[in-house]
Formats: sequence, C-alpha cells, structure tokens
Amino acid sequence: QVQLQESGPGLVKPSQTLSLTCTVSGGSISSGGYYWSWIRQHPGKGLEWIGYIYYSGSTYYNPSLKSRVTISVDTSKNQFSLKLSSVTAADTAVYYCARQLDSSGYLFDYWGQGTLVTVSS
Amino acid sequence: DIQMTQSPSSLSASVGDRVTITCRASQSISSYLNWYQQKPGKAPKLLIYAASSLQSGVPSRFSGSGSGTDFTLTISSLQPEDFATYYCQQSYSTFTFGPGTKVDIK
Repeated sequence: QVQLQESGPGLVKPSQTLSLTCTVSGGSISSGGYYWSWIRQHPGKGLEWIGYIYYSGSTYYNPSLKSRVTISVDTSKNQFSLKLSSVTAADTAVYYCARQLDSSGYLFDYWGQGTLVTVSS
Repeated sequence: DIQMTQSPSSLSASVGDRVTITCRASQSISSYLNWYQQKPGKAPKLLIYAASSLQSGVPSRFSGSGSGTDFTLTISSLQPEDFATYYCQQSYSTFTFGPGTKVDIK
C-alpha cells in the first residue's frame, strides 16, 4: 500500500519561501508510471493543482504559479519536494502531495494527509 | 484554462435517496474527468476515473457518466458514510478541479 506523508514548517513569513517534502513509502518513485504532484486547498475552498515531477526530474507546473514554483525529486530518499517563493497570505492553504497516474485519465490515486501552511508575520 | 463548474453547490438528502451531481467543463474534455470524495479534515479519495470507471474498492452505488462537456456522478442509494463534498477534476489540459458539491443530511 503506497503511503505519502508531507513534512515542513507550518508557518512561513510573507515574502519568504515555503518548503515542503513528501516522503513516499510502499512504492518506489523510480519505478515509473506515475507523476508526483502537489495540490493545495485554501481554507474552506476547492482544490488547486500546483505541479508535478516525474522520477526523471521532468516537471510541469500550473501556469498561474509557474514563476514561483520549483518541484524537485530525490529518488535515493524516495522523496519529492515543493518550493514556493515570495509567499503572501493568499498562499495559506493545506498542501497535499499525491501520486498521479501518467496515463488513463491522469487520476490522483494516493494522497498524503495534507499539511496546513500559514503565511503570517 | 479549462474551467469546471458543478451543480448544485450543496444539497440536503436522506439516507436511501438517489443523488445526482453535475459537472460541466468550459470546453470539450472527452472523457478526461475524474470524481473525488472529501470528508472534513481528510484528503480527497478517488471514486470514478475516465468519466465512468469505478475505482477499485469503491462501492457500486457510485457511478459516473458523460463525455464532452457534461458529466454526472450518481449515488444510487445514499449511505451515512457518503455525506461529504464531491469534486470533479479534468485532466484534458493541465489539471483543474470543480468548486465542489457538499452533500449533507436532510
């Protein structure tokens, strides 16, 4: 059973960089067949896809966030990470990591539990 | 960007009711449409993929239909554990979610 777990600071100051890591267990990021995604949910709101990375390191970002987002992968640790720069209060959200099939509907089949990141001074 | 809308935004229903939720895309997305269920404080759970395929382990009372721009999620007989928020998600171009439909107890 694949499991994902987000980790990182729960509080980030405005203008700084938000950094989160997702640790994958029960399966290898390097096995292929999946994208590894970040998704966020503003408090009481809907879901916003941020971007994904493939085990090879290729990435694809949401155009609305592209200028501020970097996703990286460390296959030796079976982890992938998110960096979001120049954050504001509008970036306060629950951040999820998720596994996404790289074909047949590009569905998100496994999710982390989510971590709340608050942007405040 | 492809915009997704859902209707209704919320509904009240009783156990045993048949519930239908509609999702509409701003342009044709073929069958690149998935449905998720989210309960408070939890991550979304995949229910339906490719518009009408039931994810493994999901009860058969859930079904999906549609193609192009109009899609529906149907719960044939609502159970107590089904009270939740439901989201559609398109994967035709980038990936966007609908605003959600909250199903609560009448």
